[in-house]
Amino acid sequence: DAGITQSPRHKVTETGTPVTLRCHQTENHRYMYWYRQDPGHGLRLIHYSYGVKDTDKGEVSDGYSVSRSKTEDFLLTLESATSSQTSVYFCATRRGTNEKLFFGSGTQLSVL
Amino acid sequence: DQQVKQNSPSLSVQEGRISILNCDYTNSMFDYFLWYKKYPAEGPTFLISISSIKDKNEDGRFTVFLNKSAKHLSLHIVPSQPGDSAVYFCAASASNSGYALNFGKGTSLLVTP
Repeated sequence: DAGITQSPRHKVTETGTPVTLRCHQTENHRYMYWYRQDPGHGLRLIHYSYGVKDTDKGEVSDGYSVSRSKTEDFLLTLESATSSQTSVYFCATRRGTNEKLFFGSGTQLSVL
Repeated sequence: DQQVKQNSPSLSVQEGRISILNCDYTNSMFDYFLWYKKYPAEGPTFLISISSIKDKNEDGRFTVFLNKSAKHLSLHIVPSQPGDSAVYFCAASASNSGYALNFGKGTSLLVTP
């Protein structure tokens, strides 16, 4: 357990509204990630961060933005939510490369 | 394009028998491989990993085998227990080309009594 807290745990929102998901870690891990899990697709990387204010895109980054102003917090923002962004979102952290990822418990997001 | 592939969406095994989960990858730069286990409504949890300098790593009932020439790895669970029923994800990363972990689509394992 790497002390990862995701909030909210569940959210229902309407198409077109902005949504921000928060990931908070207590282990001072350098790397942080946002993945989404969908049936038939497994875990797909949205964005990741390799340090404060250092972020990069993953394979499914369209429609998402991230920010990391402090080591412990990594925010994922859906600028204008769409139904295709209904998913389970997982935050993960990693102390260093070639080390395992620790995952949070996930956020179930429904966009109606 | 999926760089990590788990071609079996599901697997059913009897309790006490061996479970073998397979994973193929396409990126020859991958040098670190992991297996994760996921129960419903929970985050994935780390199970076992292997570096590309090894061909086998064992941890209790779990063994991971790596065949670099075939770009193939497998997870063996012996003996299988009902509590092993979960979705298993294979993942890989390349230390010299970024920091991301690439995941397969997962294999759902059911261990029956």
